[in-house]
Amino acid sequence: AQRVTQPEKLLSVFKGAPVELKCNYSYSGSPELFWYVQYSRQRLQLLLRHISRESIKGFTADLNKGETSFHLKKPFAQEEDSAMYYCALSGSNYQLIWGAGTKLIIKP
Amino acid sequence: DSGVTQTPKHLITATGQRVTLRCSPRSGDLSVYWYQQSLDQGLQFLIQYYNGEERAKGNILERFSAQQFPDLHSELNLSSLELGDSALYFCASSVVTSGANVLTFGAGSRLTVL
Repeated sequence: AQRVTQPEKLLSVFKGAPVELKCNYSYSGSPELFWYVQYSRQRLQLLLRHISRESIKGFTADLNKGETSFHLKKPFAQEEDSAMYYCALSGSNYQLIWGAGTKLIIKP
Repeated sequence: DSGVTQTPKHLITATGQRVTLRCSPRSGDLSVYWYQQSLDQGLQFLIQYYNGEERAKGNILERFSAQQFPDLHSELNLSSLELGDSALYFCASSVVTSGANVLTFGAGSRLTVL
């Protein structure tokens, strides 16, 4: 079955500490993976996609096909990173499968 | 501005009533998606339209219906409203780029059922 799992509903770290938001997926083909972010009272927006291999706002995510993971990482958290983060998978029929989301809180 | 416009921004109504939420997709996007976001359920996919045709259905209740019009705007109709329908309803439109589906979201319509 196609599935995206974000095991942590809530993640709280101190400012300046490293952040890792976990995302695991189950998909038989070659998926396209995304991270979307929702800042307080704002719309969801695309943060990054694995095919781009880029760093956005200091965040990176590497697709690990062996571990079927696409964890989102940032070496030094900032207070403005506090938000809801969703991992999503786009399959061969372009349908998006969403994780349940992780609320990230950066403590000062 | 992301280009996806949703109206109304806020709506307060009573149980048993019916409301219509409207979405205008980003220019050039043919697909429209509706999502429900509540505190306890997270982001729930409701339904997708592509160029006027229903493309995929998610966890959409029978009391809810949607359509996409020839000008590509979409409406989500919610009827016989219950307290549990209180949520943020997002619309998104998409374009397939580099072989993948990238969604652009609207600001949402916050529905409160009293």
